[in-house]
Amino acid sequence: GAVVSQHPSRVICKSGTSVKIECRSLDFQATTMFWYRQFPKQSLMLMATSNEGSKATYEQGVEKDKFLINHASLTLSTLTVTSAHPEDSSFYICSARREGRVGEQFFGPGTRLTVL
Amino acid sequence: AQTVTQSQPEMSVQEAETVTLSCTYDTSESNYYLFWYKQPPSRQMILVIRQEAYKQQNATENRFSVNFQKAAKSFSLKISDSQLGDTAMYFCGTSYGKLTFGQGTILTVHP
Repeated sequence: GAVVSQHPSRVICKSGTSVKIECRSLDFQATTMFWYRQFPKQSLMLMATSNEGSKATYEQGVEKDKFLINHASLTLSTLTVTSAHPEDSSFYICSARREGRVGEQFFGPGTRLTVL
Repeated sequence: AQTVTQSQPEMSVQEAETVTLSCTYDTSESNYYLFWYKQPPSRQMILVIRQEAYKQQNATENRFSVNFQKAAKSFSLKISDSQLGDTAMYFCGTSYGKLTFGQGTILTVHP
């Protein structure tokens, strides 16, 4: 159990367009989901914490108008990169927290975004 | 605020040997959790081992074990009988609400 999926796994888009990434908990309900960004051979950088039914909490330095997060249900959170630019190219990973496993997060397989 | 430091950017080990990855952390919380995750070339984050800070006994998962020194705020990972499939980037993390990761250690297991 505790499987998290992400879609798409890879996306290439033109500069100025918006891209939506979905994160789903497949076999459990996730009241809290997290979005990370990772550059090659670097650590995961937390972008925001997403709580079902409320506004996301963004980390310092993360533009909330550029990275829109919606956690509309207990199994789905979405990250929309608006007006994407080449510097937004990165690997985006989501994770979900399951009740009963305090502190532990279950990670999705990640989405590689390339902005041309 | 929580900080996690992994001082070994890269490590290598021969197959079947033992290797230890270092991790130190700092937190003002009294009740927290510590983790080691591995990220193989597929980039899927996989939980290796989990330790609850209030438990003194070191966690063990098959070939993976930790040396948890709470007073020193140290949480090292020992991999015994290393296998080629252990080649990955390893992240130490501490969690109180949010997960804070260290910089990561790239481990390469050589045949």
